[in-house]
Amino acid sequence: AQSVAQPEDQVNVAEGNPLTVKCTYSVSGNPYLFWYVQYPNRGLQFLLKYITGDNLVKGSYGFEAEFNKSQTSFHLKKPSALVSDSALYFCAVRDASGGYNKLIFGAGTRLAVHP
Amino acid sequence: DAGVIQSPRHEVTEMGQEVTLRCKPISGHNSLFWYRQTMMRGLELLIYFNNNVPIDDSGMPEDRFSAKMPNASFSTLKIQPSEPRDSAVYFCASSSRTGANTEAFFGQGTRLTVV
Repeated sequence: AQSVAQPEDQVNVAEGNPLTVKCTYSVSGNPYLFWYVQYPNRGLQFLLKYITGDNLVKGSYGFEAEFNKSQTSFHLKKPSALVSDSALYFCAVRDASGGYNKLIFGAGTRLAVHP
Repeated sequence: DAGVIQSPRHEVTEMGQEVTLRCKPISGHNSLFWYRQTMMRGLELLIYFNNNVPIDDSGMPEDRFSAKMPNASFSTLKIQPSEPRDSAVYFCASSSRTGANTEAFFGQGTRLTVV
C-alpha cells in the first residue's frame, strides 16, 4: 500500500531562515505526491504537487519541494520563513490501486516560525 | 466558485443522538471524499465517491456511520447513534477527475463534539 511518513512532529525556525519540512514515501509504481497546509480552524489548502518532470516543484506562497527518487523523499522547502507560515503541513500520496484514486496523508508536521 | 461547502461548521450533540453532516462539492467535480481528523489518528479517509457512487468505504469505522451522495452536488455523512469517541473534525473534499495527478480541494470542516 502507498504511504508517506513525516518524521518530525514539529519544526521550529526563526523568521528569515530557510525551512525544510520532511516527507518520505513508499509507493509501488510512479509516485504522485502532494503538500497541503492547514491553518488553525481551517480546511487543508493545496500547496504543490509532483507528478513527473522536474524534481524541483514550485508552489503557492513561495514554497517549493524537492523530489528525490533515490532517497524516496519529497521535502517541502522555503528560502526565507515568515511568521505567517506557522501552520500544520501535510504530505500526501495518491493511491491509485483498484483503478481509482484516493489521497493518503501523513501525520502532519507543525511548523512554528518565531520572530 | 465558492469552494467546497460544509455545514454545519460546529455541532454539539448528546451521546445517542443522530448527527448529519453535509457537503456541497465544487461544481463539476466528480470525486468526493470524507475525512476525519483527530489528534490521535490524524487524517483518516472514511469514504469516497466517484460519479456519486461509493467506491471505497473501508475507512468507515463502524456500522453507525453511513454516507450518501444522492446527486453530484450534495453528500451527507450520518452517525447514528453518536458516541463521545466520534468527536473530531470531519472534512469533505472534492476533485475534478479520478486521474492520479489531480489535487483535492477541502471544505472548512465540521467540528463535532459528542457529550
